Parts: sequence; structure tokens; C-alpha cells
Amino acid sequence: DAGVTQSPTHLIKTRGQQVTLRCSPKSGHDTVSWYQQALGQGPQFIFQYYEEEERQRGNFPDRFSGHQFPNYSSELNVNALLLGDSALYLCASSLIGQGREKLFFGSGTQLSVL
Amino acid sequence: ILNVEQSPQSLHVQEGDSTNFTCSFPSSNFYALHWYRWETAKSPEALFVMTLNGDEKKKGRISATLNTKEGYSYLYIKGSQPEDSATYLCAFPLTGTASKLTFGTGTRLQVTL
Repeated sequence: DAGVTQSPTHLIKTRGQQVTLRCSPKSGHDTVSWYQQALGQGPQFIFQYYEEEERQRGNFPDRFSGHQFPNYSSELNVNALLLGDSALYLCASSLIGQGREKLFFGSGTQLSVL
Repeated sequence: ILNVEQSPQSLHVQEGDSTNFTCSFPSSNFYALHWYRWETAKSPEALFVMTLNGDEKKKGRISATLNTKEGYSYLYIKGSQPEDSATYLCAFPLTGTASKLTFGTGTRLQVTL
């Protein structure tokens, strides 16, 4: 049983470009959330997708958008990249719940913006 | 406390030492408290999800306690081994879904021989 898989593992972009990151959740999970981890910080919540809709959003600008497909996989898109977008992007999957469900994380996509 | 705070930031112990870390979180509107272990070059892995005041969880040599009234949790590692070297993160759902977790900055543990 495959866990959470993310692609690509590393990515280098230049300022102003656009990027798409992909995530396949753990089998049986219906909820995908995305986190950004900048150096020296804990992961910061970007948004959550459930039933192909964005259900919750963290404090990130509209340049960050996403999508969830019928097979529960998800994409994170970032437009007009800034140097400050350089970070590790983590995808996590779970079953929708009441705050007590464990998150299962992928190994992340390291994005470098030059 | 409005955010999740962890201490110490880093810790360096020798094999066989026992150690503990602290996580402080908002004591109002408590849903759950999560602990994750994150080894270098791997994915964060859930250790515990704690929900009740006074809760104690154990997984091998690692255990955790929870005090929701005062807003803190302790993670204990007994007889540390080099494979325990990792960053230990605690996280708190500010709303009633674990997907939207607020993480602390973590305690980085290094265990040497």
C-alpha cells in the first residue's frame, strides 16, 4: 500500500514563473492538505481539499491555488513566484474528521526560486 | 498563548540518556494535540494524537503526557538511541479538523554514541 507520494522531489524556478506540484494521497484517504515549510520554521498550513473543493485556507495569497481530482489526488499551483516562496512543500492526507485524525505526509517537494 | 511553542529548540544527548521536550498550546477550545517525528530526508510521521486531559500515550521507548487545562504536553524518550535523532514537532488544530494544524518549530534531537 503506497503512502503519500509527491512529485517532483526538487524544482528550480526563477522569479515570476509559475509552478505546479503534485500529490497522491494514501489509499483510502479523501482529504489532502498542503503545508509550506520555510527554513527554521514549522510547517505552515496553506489549504485543505475535500470533495474536490477548497475547504479551509491558511494565510497565503491568492497566488497559491490548488485542485483536487475525483481520484483524490491534488495539485498545488503557485503563480508569479517570489524569492520568498523558496521552501519545502509538504502534502498530507487523512480522512475528514474532528481534529483527531493522524496526518500522513509525503516527503515533500523542495522548491528553489532564483 | 496563541501559537504552539516548543522547547528546547535543539538537544544533544548521548546514547542511553533519557530526555524530554515541552509543547505549549492554547488551552481554550481544545480539540487535540499531535506529535510528529521527522527524520532527515524522510516524511514526518505521526507519533501520537492526544485528546483527553491527563492522557498518556506510549510507543516503545517514547511516551507523551497531556495537560489541557494548563496547555502543555511533554514528550519523553527513555534510553535514547541514535535512531531517535530527528525533529519532534507538536501541532494543534485551531479549528476542528486535523488537516489545518498549527505546528511548533520543533525540537531537534541528536543522539550520539
